[in-house]
Formats: sequence, structure tokens, C-alpha cells
Amino acid sequence: SAVISQKPSRDICQRGTSLTIQCQVDSQVTMMFWYRQQPGQSLTLIATANQGSEATYESGFVIDKFPISRPNLTFSTLTVSNMSPEDSSIYLCSVEGLAGGSQYFGPGTRLTVL
Amino acid sequence: QQQVKQSPQSLIVQKGGISIINCAYENTAFDYFPWYQQFPGKGPALLIAIRPDVSEKKEGRFTISFNKSAKQFSLHIMDSQPGDSATYFCAASVIKAAGNKLTFGGGTRVLVKP
Repeated sequence: SAVISQKPSRDICQRGTSLTIQCQVDSQVTMMFWYRQQPGQSLTLIATANQGSEATYESGFVIDKFPISRPNLTFSTLTVSNMSPEDSSIYLCSVEGLAGGSQYFGPGTRLTVL
Repeated sequence: QQQVKQSPQSLIVQKGGISIINCAYENTAFDYFPWYQQFPGKGPALLIAIRPDVSEKKEGRFTISFNKSAKQFSLHIMDSQPGDSATYFCAASVIKAAGNKLTFGGGTRVLVKP
């Protein structure tokens, strides 16, 4: 499985600001995904990040709030824009393995918005 | 995203006992069913996964049972150990070239007492 790192691991931010989360993979992958996990809750898919094309967002998530970049096959960023306390969550990136189906997660970024 | 229902929400089992977690799904198009284990402060780790063409898959102490007609699948943890204390998530997806979008169950917090 791929080794996935995320930066920052955690942050405390003020309302109205933006935070960019980085996801780095140690090998080239086609599919990268961004998930949100609210405190004590399950994971919800935000968007699929494909290299060379616009990210595909799930219902309830919009590009203006969660812009995503995917400049190459090993890296992606998720920005949480104009943050409010309701954005306090763990944000996780994941990648799809070569076998198809298998998906591996990064360690997550714990965001607290005051 | 189609719903995946997971039960129970929490589970306490004695060391050496069997932990059983159940999931039910609605979307008959789902063709990939993974289980993830998550420790506090960590990202989910893929435990075991099954495709609908088999009814059971075993890896070490972990077994998935799959009932296609009932649209249910379950995780059995045999000989449960204190180190198995974690939150477990079932998930389901339709494997596509455009990406494997996972729909997660609500999670089960397992506590194994020594």
C-alpha cells in the first residue's frame, strides 16, 4: 500500500480564514479522494481529485468552499475557505490502490475553527 | 450517496471473545465491501474487503460474511484482543474507472476488556 502524508497534522484557525491541507503520496496514483470526518462521526466524501481535470464534488460540497488542486500524480491540496466553527473536523485524503477498489487513507488533518 | 447502516454503535467484549459487527446496504449496484479500523488520532486502515461473488473471506482473526440476497455483510473478530479496541467502519462502493467512491457506515466502537 502507498505511504500517505498530510500537512498540517492539526491546526487551530480563526473564523473567516482559509486553510490549505496538503496530501503527498510516495507513488503515482490515479485517484485521490478527500473526506471529512466530523468529531465522533463517520467519513463523508467531499470530492474526487483527478490529475489534469477539475475535481468532482459530492452533493453538499462546492468548489468555492473546498477548492482542490491536483497538479501531479503524487500530490493534492484541499482548501477550506471562509471557515466557520462548523468546519471543525478531521480532513482525510485517500488514494486508490493499483488493485482497484482498495483505498488507503492518510493520517488526517484535525482542524479546529474558533 | 446511498446509505450503509451499521450496528451496533458500540460493543464491549471480553478478551478471547468474538466481536460481531453488522452492516446493511440498499444499493444493489455496490460491488466492493471493505472494512476499516481506526484508532484515535489516526486515519482509517484497510482491514479486509470482499466482492459479492464470494460469501466469506478470512484473513487471520478477521472474517467477512456476505449475504447478497439480504444485502448484508458482517465482520467477525475472533479471539478479540485489547489491541483490537478501536472504531470499525464498514463501507461500500461501486468500482468504476472514474473512481471508487466509498460510502461509510456510522462506525462501531469496540472495547476489548482484558
